Amino acid sequence: ELKVEQNPLFLSMQEGKNYTIYCNYSTTSDRLYWYRQDPGKSLESLFVLLSNGAVKQEGRLMASLDTKARLSTLHITAAVHDLSATYFCAVGASGTYKYIFGTGTRLKVLA
Amino acid sequence: SQTIHQWPATLVQPVGSPLSLECTVEGTSNPNLYWYRQAAGRGLQLLFYSVGIGQISSEVPQNLSASRPQDRQFILSSKKLLLSDSGFYLCAWSPDTATEAFFGQGTRLTVV
Repeated sequence: ELKVEQNPLFLSMQEGKNYTIYCNYSTTSDRLYWYRQDPGKSLESLFVLLSNGAVKQEGRLMASLDTKARLSTLHITAAVHDLSATYFCAVGASGTYKYIFGTGTRLKVLA
Repeated sequence: SQTIHQWPATLVQPVGSPLSLECTVEGTSNPNLYWYRQAAGRGLQLLFYSVGIGQISSEVPQNLSASRPQDRQFILSSKKLLLSDSGFYLCAWSPDTATEAFFGQGTRLTVV
């Protein structure tokens, strides 16, 4: 059974700092997705990573995928308050149509 | 372009009452459809998914059921709600396994 874990669960950081969120998954997959959720809102897609070594960047966020290590990272560069949200990774379970979500990382950027 | 509609946005229901949440997708055909539940401050739990009309896969044994009566319609139901059914219910769709899932706006259900 595919399990997806994120760490940290909570992250409080100062504006201007860098940090990385980690997403580990338990079985083979080459489909990984990152989402953002603002409080009380639905999920917004950020990145789609479909191969080993894939790297995507948008603004201050950069996501990467290492399928051999079963690890994806979401790196935040020079954080700003607007990045405060909960970030989820989701893994496509091989041979199925399922998207299994991680536990989420609640990020708070302090001004 | 494709859009997903989910309603109602909020719902307060007494214990033991029935439930029906509806989700429809526009601008595409034969989408994969999903129901997720998010408890307060928690992650997303996959409840059901469907790859075609009448085809429903259940992920978690529970008090809920799902149906797909039309290609772009996905319904989540319960005959008798429990307090533990409270949560944020999200419908999602994807065109295929190589893309991400796109989410509706969600229904916040409170069972009292």
